[in-house]
Amino acid sequence: AQSVAQPEDQVNVAEGNPLTVKCTYSVSGNPYLFWYVQYPNRGLQFLLKYITGDNLVKGSYGFEAEFNKSQTSFHLKKPSALVSDSALYFCAVTGNTGFQKLVFGTGTRLLVSP
Amino acid sequence: DTEVTQTPKHLVMGMTNKKSLKCEQHMGHRAMYWYKQKAKKPPELMFVYSYEKLSINESVPSRFSPECPNSSLLNLHLHALQPEDSALYLCASSQGGVAPNEKLFFGSGTQLSVL
Repeated sequence: AQSVAQPEDQVNVAEGNPLTVKCTYSVSGNPYLFWYVQYPNRGLQFLLKYITGDNLVKGSYGFEAEFNKSQTSFHLKKPSALVSDSALYFCAVTGNTGFQKLVFGTGTRLLVSP
Repeated sequence: DTEVTQTPKHLVMGMTNKKSLKCEQHMGHRAMYWYKQKAKKPPELMFVYSYEKLSINESVPSRFSPECPNSSLLNLHLHALQPEDSALYLCASSQGGVAPNEKLFFGSGTQLSVL
């Protein structure tokens, strides 16, 4: 069975500083990895995905993520955080089952202080 | 139009009521999904429709009944719900079907309270 772990419930960072939100995964076969963001009282918005190829994936709003197969990780990063980045971030994985059956991590709340 | 629209935004119902949640997308997407999200928890998949046919039912109780009348519309019919069914119900769609590399477009959800 596939699973995702987000070890931090909350990440605090000052505006302008780099941010990292951690994610590790477990899946049989090759993983399809995703990051979604959820703002209060809203649905989830797609940020980026890793399917295959380059280990560094660039996404929306200046976010990027690095796929590391040996460490089974897919950490989300941004060089310079904005207050407006404050939200709930979900890492998700689906295996090569033939279906889009995303399994989400428990989420990490990012708080960017001015 | 790049939105997934869900109505109503909020719903309060008793355990004997029958109600329906509605989801629409006009992006020409071929797959539509229902997710359930309890407070402070991640979304959990309930149902998936691909090309208007039910592809996945994640062992959801029969008091939840999905329906896909056409390629743009997805309903979730609710009957005899329990208080523990209170949650945010999210609809999503994907462009090319249910391939594992598809990204999902989510609606803002319906916040359901069962009294």
